[in-house]
Amino acid sequence: KNEVEQSPQNLTAQEGEFITINCSYSVGISALHWLQQHPGGGIVSLFMLSSGKKKHGRLIATINIQEKHSSLHITASHPRDSAVYICAVFGNEKLTFGTGTRLTIIP
Amino acid sequence: KAGVTQTPRYLIKTRGQQVTLSCSPISGHRSVSWYQQTPGQGLQFLFEYFSETQRNKGNFPGRFSGRQFSNSRSEMNVSTLELGDSALYLCASSNGHPKTQYFGPGTRLLVL
Repeated sequence: KNEVEQSPQNLTAQEGEFITINCSYSVGISALHWLQQHPGGGIVSLFMLSSGKKKHGRLIATINIQEKHSSLHITASHPRDSAVYICAVFGNEKLTFGTGTRLTIIP
Repeated sequence: KAGVTQTPRYLIKTRGQQVTLSCSPISGHRSVSWYQQTPGQGLQFLFEYFSETQRNKGNFPGRFSGRQFSNSRSEMNVSTLELGDSALYLCASSNGHPKTQYFGPGTRLLVL
C-alpha cells in the first residue's frame, strides 16, 4: 500500500464546476504539500499545510491531521486549471508523493 | 529573484554512459533536493543537500550520487546508465524544512 493515496486518479469536469481532490496518508508528517504540474513537466507548489485550511484565489486546501486526510478544492473551475495535481507529505526528512490526479476542465 | 534553473534541459545518452545534471537554487536557499519522475513510479525522492552536506537519501542505487557546492549549486551524477534511468529529473530548493519547495523546470533524460 502506498504511503500517500490520491483520489480520483482522473477527473473531467465542465468549466465552472466545483472540484475536490482527496489525499490520504499513512505516515507521520510535519507538513503536506499540494503541487500542480502542467504538460511539459514544470511543477508549482500551491500550498504547504500543517493544520487547518489555506485559501489562495479559487483554490482551497484543508488538512485533518487526526484523520490523516487532506483535500484540495477548486471553485469556479476554468480550462487553465487543467493539470496534474500532486499531494506530497513531508515526513522522515523527505517528501513522499502521491500518484497525482489528472484534471481536465472542458469549456 | 530568479527561479531555480536546471541544465541541460534535455539529454540523450546510451546505456553504460554517465551523466551529470546541474541545479542552481534560488538565491539564499541552502537546501537542494533532487527527484526522479517516471510514468511507472511517479515522483520519487533521490537526495537532499544542505550546506554542502547530504542530509537525506532515498532508495536509489549507489550509481546515483550528488554534491553541493559552497554557492549552494548542486549536481547529480548517474553512472553506468540503464534504460530505466530515462526520466524527468527535477530539483527543488528551499530555505529549510518543512518549507515551500521551489521546483526547477527539470532535465529530461533519455537513455538509449
